Amino acid sequence: QQQVKQSPQSLIVQKGGIPIINCAYENTAFDYFPWYQQFPGKGPALLIAIRPDVSEKKEGRFTISFNKSAKQFSLHIMDSQPGDSATYFCAALPRKGSGNTGKLIFGQGTTLQVKP
Amino acid sequence: EAGVAQSPRYKIIEKRQSVAFWCNPISGHATLYWYQQILGQGPKLLIQFQNNGVVDDSQLPKDRFSAERLKGVDSTLKIQPAKLEDSAVYLCASSLAGQGPYEQYFGPGTRLTVT
Repeated sequence: QQQVKQSPQSLIVQKGGIPIINCAYENTAFDYFPWYQQFPGKGPALLIAIRPDVSEKKEGRFTISFNKSAKQFSLHIMDSQPGDSATYFCAALPRKGSGNTGKLIFGQGTTLQVKP
Repeated sequence: EAGVAQSPRYKIIEKRQSVAFWCNPISGHATLYWYQQILGQGPKLLIQFQNNGVVDDSQLPKDRFSAERLKGVDSTLKIQPAKLEDSAVYLCASSLAGQGPYEQYFGPGTRLTVT
């Protein structure tokens, strides 16, 4: 079964720090690697996404770095704020075909706490 | 723009009972998803609808779970009979046809506790 492995499980940083969340995937073809942010009592919300032919993408304080050869991608949050405290999920969207229906595969999640 | 609506928000039932969840997607969104999110894990897709047709239900435990999307709008997910391991948050999401499938909008979820 296709998997996306996410680490760490939890992370605590001080305000202004740069938390880094890592994900690794297995041998398969993927079209997109999105990240979602989830606050308690809410559903996940799309944060940023990257295609596998791009090595880095920035949107505001959020940056995705992608290493195709290592099959790894990571989320960096610049100048982190207490309001960024949430659970973050990486995901991978398999390319349709060869038995794949194009459904998202989520990582296990990382709970981030940004201390004031 | 109104978001994805789900009800109830919380439900506690005993094992072997039945339960139903309701979802109203964002207006105009043709694709609707039901996910199961067990505590400490990422969401797992149970079923995906395109309008009122099923696109993928490969991970739906069909012996106890059922879902329908009448008229291609609202959807209900039912569990009958419930087991202890069904305790989870059930998320509904929707997306526009033609959008990237990762561009999904999630509802707040229904937290189910089976005792």
